[in-house]
Formats: sequence, C-alpha cells, structure tokens
Amino acid sequence: NAGVTQTPKFRILKIGQSMTLQCTQDMNHNYMYWYRQDPGMGLKLIYYSVGAGITDKGEVPNGYNVSRSTTEDFPLRLELAAPSQTSVYFCASSPGTGYTGELFFGEGSRLTVL
Amino acid sequence: GQNIDQPTEMTATEGAIVQINCTYQTSGFNGLFWYQQHAGEAPTFLSYNVLDGLEEKGRFSSFLSRSKGYSYLLLKELQMKDSASYLCAVLDSNYQLIWGAGTKLIIKP
Repeated sequence: NAGVTQTPKFRILKIGQSMTLQCTQDMNHNYMYWYRQDPGMGLKLIYYSVGAGITDKGEVPNGYNVSRSTTEDFPLRLELAAPSQTSVYFCASSPGTGYTGELFFGEGSRLTVL
Repeated sequence: GQNIDQPTEMTATEGAIVQINCTYQTSGFNGLFWYQQHAGEAPTFLSYNVLDGLEEKGRFSSFLSRSKGYSYLLLKELQMKDSASYLCAVLDSNYQLIWGAGTKLIIKP
C-alpha cells in the first residue's frame, strides 16, 4: 500500500508565483487534511475535507485553496506565494474522527518562498 | 484560547526511562493522541487515550488524567532510534485536532 503520497517533496517559489501541492491516498479514507508545520510550532490545519465535494477551512486558510473532486485526491493550491508561506506541508487522511481519528501522513512537502 | 504545553527538549540515556509530559486546555475533549516524528519525516501515530488511566503498548505507555488536563508518554528501555520529536494532540469538542509544538527527545549513549 502506498498510503498517502505527496508531490513535490521540495520546491522553491518566487514571491507572487502560484503552485499546487498534490496529495493522493489509496486507503479509501473519507477525511483528508492539509497541515503546515513551522519550526517550534504545532501543526496548523489549513483545510480539511470530510468527503468528495466537501471542504472546509481550518485554522490558517488564508492564501490557500483546495478542492476534493474524488475520494483519493486533495490538492492544495497556493496563489500569489508569500515568504510567510515558507513551511513544511503535510497532507493526511483518516477513516473518520474520534477513536478512528488516527491520521496517516504523507512524507511532507518542503516549500521555500524567496 | 486552546493551548497545549510540552517541554521543548529533553535528554535521556540509552537503556533508561523517560517521561514526556503534556498539559492541555481545550474547548472540550474527545481524546488525546501521541505521535512520533523523526527529523525530516512525517508524524506517525503512537497512542490514543480517551479514558483516564494508563495504556501500555510495548516499550511505550501513555497516561491520561482528564480532571487535571494532563497526559504523559513513558518510554522504557530507550534506544537510539527513539531520538525524535514527540507530539501531543487533543481532539476538541468540534473533533478538530489541536497540536502541541512537540518535545525533541535526544538519546545519548
């Protein structure tokens, strides 16, 4: 099983550029999440989805956008990149919340905006 | 506001026991998770507590006291591969995970 696959693993962007971080899971999980992780800080939720066609904002959604057209895919779009978006991004999935809320993470995407 | 506190860094010796504490103040409580994260890698699930008491899983145990807003992760027979960050996260009343900043555990020979 591949689990959660994220691409790219590393990317350098110039200020104002746009890009999409891809995320695919093959576990048929309904719930998918995008987090960012900054040094010395806890994981911050950007967006999440409880199923195909349904997305919702997390704690830090500004500057990002998502879509969920299929159960498997949950891409994260960065529009007009800013230095504050330099971070490590993790996509995760879970079969549900509560006891089944164990998250399965992708390997992460390290983004630098210069 | 919601807050989770963990020590920033701890050092322990190979073969010893270490306890990593986590205190939380959240809007509601639906469970507490511990994750392990090696440097440059993704977090991986270690344990889940929703009732008070101790949950043991091999060399790792996790304890929860809901009345005190307190949990700890106990690692026994430390190995060099246990060098990692340990993340505490609480599932709040909206079923959102609130994450602590993590405790970096350094194991010395």
